[in-house]
Amino acid sequence: QVQLQESGPGLVKPSETLSLTCTVSGASISSYYWNWIRQPPGKGLEWIGYIYYSGGTNYNPSLKSRVTISVDTSKSQFSLKLSSVTAADTAVYYCARMVNRGGENWFDPWGQGTLVTVSS
Amino acid sequence: DIQMTQSPSSLSASVGDRVTITCRASQSISSYLNWFQQKPGKAPNLLIYTASSLQSGVPSRFSGSGSGTDFTLTISSLQPEDFTTYYCQQTYSTPYTFGQGTKLEIK
Repeated sequence: QVQLQESGPGLVKPSETLSLTCTVSGASISSYYWNWIRQPPGKGLEWIGYIYYSGGTNYNPSLKSRVTISVDTSKSQFSLKLSSVTAADTAVYYCARMVNRGGENWFDPWGQGTLVTVSS
Repeated sequence: DIQMTQSPSSLSASVGDRVTITCRASQSISSYLNWFQQKPGKAPNLLIYTASSLQSGVPSRFSGSGSGTDFTLTISSLQPEDFTTYYCQQTYSTPYTFGQGTKLEIK
């Protein structure tokens, strides 16, 4: 079965760049859209953006100036970089596969999530 | 951005009850609406996709309906493991957006 696993530092200093990687196992990274979503503690879900296996990206305009998502198909990994972080970027970060069939899209599965805290 | 509004934000019910959660979109999203269940400390889990399709492995007591701007998630007979938080999400257009969540509590 498809599994996703986030990895990266759990603590980032303000103004620095948050970097996370999602490793995909159990399925090819090809032919899907790969997403990042975040959830501040005790709050709701915010979609950050996606990358298609071929490299095309789509970012949430609210974060677009600070976000870069990249893919390494040889390692079955995709990555998130979020620059100039502040305390407001403290959240659990999830990666998720988006299945697209006939134009309809849904997110499944998700990684377990990783908490990133922005603090000096 | 398309705004997704869930109601109620919280709901008290008993085991065996039938409950309905509503999700309203700020504009028509056809059937591009998904429902997730999230338990504390865990990732969201897909229950329903494209408004009414039951994800494989999800119990049949969960069902979804609606199109356009108004959607519902119904749990036909609540089980103890169902008392947690539910989110709707639109994938009609980016940025994909989620409802604020509905917390289902034991009465």
